Amino acid sequence: EIVLTQSPGTLSLSPGDRATLSCGASQTIGNNYLAWYQQKPGQAPRLLIYASYRRATGIPERFGGSGSGTDFSLTISRLEPEDFAVYYCQHHSNSHPAFGQGTKVEI
Amino acid sequence: QVQLAESGGGVVQPGMSLRLSCAGSGFTFSSYTMHWVRQAPGKGLEWLAAISHEGSLTYHADSVKGRFTISRDNSKNTLYMDMNNLTPEDTAIYYCAREPYTFVFYYYMTLWGNGTTVTVSS
Repeated sequence: EIVLTQSPGTLSLSPGDRATLSCGASQTIGNNYLAWYQQKPGQAPRLLIYASYRRATGIPERFGGSGSGTDFSLTISRLEPEDFAVYYCQHHSNSHPAFGQGTKVEI
Repeated sequence: QVQLAESGGGVVQPGMSLRLSCAGSGFTFSSYTMHWVRQAPGKGLEWLAAISHEGSLTYHADSVKGRFTISRDNSKNTLYMDMNNLTPEDTAIYYCAREPYTFVFYYYMTLWGNGTTVTVSS
């Protein structure tokens, strides 16, 4: 079972700032199959990134994913007001996908 | 309009059972792998189960294996989660979610329902 640990728990930033979120895995993630989701209060999650760096349909270019093996990152180049939310990483490398505990990006 | 709609949530007593449903519309439901994911109040996301497009392959998280069962009826465009012996720790919003492409497991989700709330309390 792959366990994902996200850091930091909370990121306090301002609009226009750059945000870097981390996701560490307890073991190597095959094919770097790591996804990122955004969730706003009262809403379902929304897929941002899959396979470490591939942007999902309709996701702005300011969202970027990187990493390999056990260390992955989500970068938001310039925070827009609508980007303040909770972000989850999720491995999709085997038949038991799992989520990290989340990082809250707050103003 | 492509969408998923969960139903069946409610308040149940510990030890009881519940069946959740998820109706898919606007797409060929029978072609897609489906998942259930839950979120306890104020907590993160927890993957629960997945089922292949035709229903022959299922996977369950260890945390619910033996108590929860995922299934589907493609003739009704509906996904199910049967939940038995519920405990207060099962209190959560339950989401159904669809994978991005047809026929093959990718294990990530591009389409989500709005969720249905299950509360287990005496």
